[in-house]
Amino acid sequence: SAVISQKPSRDICQRGTSLTIQCQVDSQVTMMFWYRQQPGQSLTLIATANQGSEATYESGFVIDKFPISRPNLTFSTLTVSNMSPEDSSIYLCSVREGTTEAFFGQGTRLTVV
Amino acid sequence: GENVEQHPSTLSVQEGDSAVIKCTYSDSASNYFPWYKQELGKGPQLIIDIRSNVGEKKDQRIAVTLNKTAKHFSLHITETQPEDSAVYFCAASISGYSTLTFGKGTMLLVSP
Repeated sequence: SAVISQKPSRDICQRGTSLTIQCQVDSQVTMMFWYRQQPGQSLTLIATANQGSEATYESGFVIDKFPISRPNLTFSTLTVSNMSPEDSSIYLCSVREGTTEAFFGQGTRLTVV
Repeated sequence: GENVEQHPSTLSVQEGDSAVIKCTYSDSASNYFPWYKQELGKGPQLIIDIRSNVGEKKDQRIAVTLNKTAKHFSLHITETQPEDSAVYFCAASISGYSTLTFGKGTMLLVSP
């Protein structure tokens, strides 16, 4: 299994600002994913973070709002830009090697005021 | 794309009872079905999974069954304990793809 560390674990931010969330994995993985989980809701995939190329975004999510970096096979960042209260959610990093098990970080609980 | 429906949204049981959560999926190409448990303030944790070449899988008090014809799969928890209280998510993955599609979750409450 993979051990995933996310930072920060929680934050309260002012609207209009940006927050960068870090995801560190204890082993090299091909696939890293970013999910959003709104209060009391399920997990929605934001994008797949590709090493060495641009992230692949799901419908409804755009790079200008959620820029992603993937500089190597163990690390990725997700930035939530120009935040509004609607961006208040839990953001989760996940890794999956091919079609094996997927593992999740503990999440970043973001509150925008 | 894949669509996963999960029922019930909440489930309350007495300690020692069994709990069953059901999911249906839409894409017959899906071949991997994991179940996750999410406790308050934590990320989802994989508790059991099943692939389409197997009809049932068991791990101590937890079991998952899969009916490919009907496109549904279920999580069974026996002898429930208060520490089983959490939100449970089912998910499905289409063959050859790494992304997972999640159900909306079931909040399980086990009362002592």
